[in-house]
Amino acid sequence: DGGITQSPKYLFRKEGQNVTLSCEQNLNHDAMYWYRQDPGQGLRLIYYSQIVNDFQKGDIAEGYSVSREKKESFPLTVTSAQKNPTAFYLCASSPLGSYNEQFFGPGTRLTVL
Amino acid sequence: AQSVTQLDSHVSVSEGTPVLLRCNYSSSYSPSLFWYVQHPNKGLQLLLKYTSAATLVKGINGFEAEFKKSETSFHLTKPSAHMSDAAEYFCVVSDSRETSYDKVIFGPGTSLSVIP
Repeated sequence: DGGITQSPKYLFRKEGQNVTLSCEQNLNHDAMYWYRQDPGQGLRLIYYSQIVNDFQKGDIAEGYSVSREKKESFPLTVTSAQKNPTAFYLCASSPLGSYNEQFFGPGTRLTVL
Repeated sequence: AQSVTQLDSHVSVSEGTPVLLRCNYSSSYSPSLFWYVQHPNKGLQLLLKYTSAATLVKGINGFEAEFKKSETSFHLTKPSAHMSDAAEYFCVVSDSRETSYDKVIFGPGTSLSVIP
């Protein structure tokens, strides 16, 4: 089955720790995205990548970092600089030329203890 | 600049009755419009999309939406609600040009409850 996987499903972090969220896709999509979702709000774009070894900041990139070393992988690191990291994180991908139709993973819920 | 408004944060319907979830948008260019559904603790699933073809768009699970340019609306409807329709629904607008990877705008969502 083609799709997007995210791991872990639930993640707990102590304050001051960096954590990395995994996102893998086997859809052969060129573009990948990371969104943050808070209760009662729409999705907010953290980072996106259109091709391997290239990525761009979204609206709320502060306190986050990404890498895109392989087409199928786009991990997100939540650093200790992110002041309020507790949220639901969604990874998405889209094919070249159809950036606005995005396919989503199941999400990772991050909780800071 | 683009924006999207979902007029109701929560909608409650009885099973078997019609569903109407309202969405208004603002876009400087010809928009592409989408509706996504999200069940609890899950990712988003595309229900339907409008990309300047037919103004009445049919999607999965019996949902449809009508693009009304004069009203800048893209309301989502379903003739008869099912218990499995209970979820969060997001209206999404984007620029129809292909150069705006960071310009997909999500509405705040409408939570749909279905009463048995």
